[in-house]
Amino acid sequence: GENVEQHPSTLSVQEGDSAVIKCTYSDSASNYFPWYKQELGKRPQLIIDIRSNVGEKKDQRIAVTLNKTAKHFSLHITETQPEDSAVYFCAAWVNQAGTALIFGKGTTLSVSS
Amino acid sequence: DTAVSQTPKYLVTQMGNDKSIKCEQNLGHDTMYWYKQDSKKFLKIMFSYNNKELIINETVPNRFSPKSPDKAHLNLHINSLELGDSAVYFCASSHSIAAPAIFGPGTRLTVL
Repeated sequence: GENVEQHPSTLSVQEGDSAVIKCTYSDSASNYFPWYKQELGKRPQLIIDIRSNVGEKKDQRIAVTLNKTAKHFSLHITETQPEDSAVYFCAAWVNQAGTALIFGKGTTLSVSS
Repeated sequence: DTAVSQTPKYLVTQMGNDKSIKCEQNLGHDTMYWYKQDSKKFLKIMFSYNNKELIINETVPNRFSPKSPDKAHLNLHINSLELGDSAVYFCASSHSIAAPAIFGPGTRLTVL
């Protein structure tokens, strides 16, 4: 079945630094790639997404890049702030006798001031 | 206005019991899901429902059964609860395939 690999599992940065989280997927038919942020005890919330016909998308301090040939996509957070500390999940839509959003195992980002 | 709601928020029960978790969305979405988040935070797809039809069912024990009385509701019924069922269960919905999924607040299930 589809597999979404996410690295690193933990990431610690200083406030103001950049953070990069990388994911790879196995299903070449995947065409939608969202990123979610989950704070402790809260629900996952969509922060940015990208479709397969786009190579890069930005929203203020957050950007996502997609390389369909290599089947990997990345989340970039610039000028990190303590409130960016959370677990981040990448995901990919796959068709497996239907459709589903498959998640990576998450990256715990810690931003220290 | 809550987009995706779940009840109860917490559920503590004994092994062997049967329990249900309810989910409702008021977004007019066509697709609803159940995810299980274990202690390691891994989000695993359990079920997807599109227009009340089950379209994916991962390797989930048949003790778990989704029930959708209408397009706005997808309930999760669990029979003969086991210790390993302890987790947070999230309901989610999306407008269509390959669209953003909106999550409910989660139900923390503890099996004693």
